[in-house]
Amino acid sequence: AQTVTQSQPEMSVQEAETVTLSCTYDTSENNYYLFWYKQPPSRQMILVIRQEAYKQQNATENRFSVNFQKAAKSFSLKISDSQLGDTAMYFCAFMKRLIGNQFYFGTGTSLTVIP
Amino acid sequence: KAGVTQTPRYLIKTRGQQVTLSCSPISGHRSVSWYQQTPGQGLQFLFEYFSETQRNKGNFPGRFSGRQFSNSRSEMNVSTLELGDSALYLCASSLDRAWGYTFGSGTRLTVV
Repeated sequence: AQTVTQSQPEMSVQEAETVTLSCTYDTSENNYYLFWYKQPPSRQMILVIRQEAYKQQNATENRFSVNFQKAAKSFSLKISDSQLGDTAMYFCAFMKRLIGNQFYFGTGTSLTVIP
Repeated sequence: KAGVTQTPRYLIKTRGQQVTLSCSPISGHRSVSWYQQTPGQGLQFLFEYFSETQRNKGNFPGRFSGRQFSNSRSEMNVSTLELGDSALYLCASSLDRAWGYTFGSGTRLTVV
């Protein structure tokens, strides 16, 4: 079975500062995808960034980057130059690469950006 | 390009009733998945459809069912509603799992 753990239920950061959200996962799979989704009060889950496990290079998307440590089964999200619009719930998610189109989600981290 | 559309946005039902939720995926997306989100259980996978076939199913009782039409639109049905079925139901569609899924804004179901 796959499990995803987000150990920080709540975090806050000053506007323009940098914050890192933690995520660890447990799986016996070797090929998989990892995602970070953001859920603002509007409720829609928005894809922030994705990582393919077989790629060594950490993914980046503008102000968002990940630190993917496959051996440690760790997938943290770094948000640089935090903006008020980054305030949301952030979910880490795992999906097998070859079979089963199903996300395994963590419990989420509520991030508040303070002006 | 239109996103994933879920209707209705809000729904209030009485215990014992049944309910049908609708999801229109992004044009061209043939994979549609459903998730239940509650404060206690978090996000849980219900089922996934591809080209009108259910490919994967989560650990939910048989009261939860779904289907997908030839135009990829999907519906999920919950029969004999229980108070514990109160949740946000999210639909997501995808062209290719490698690129992730696009979610709708969900249907907030309240069972009273």
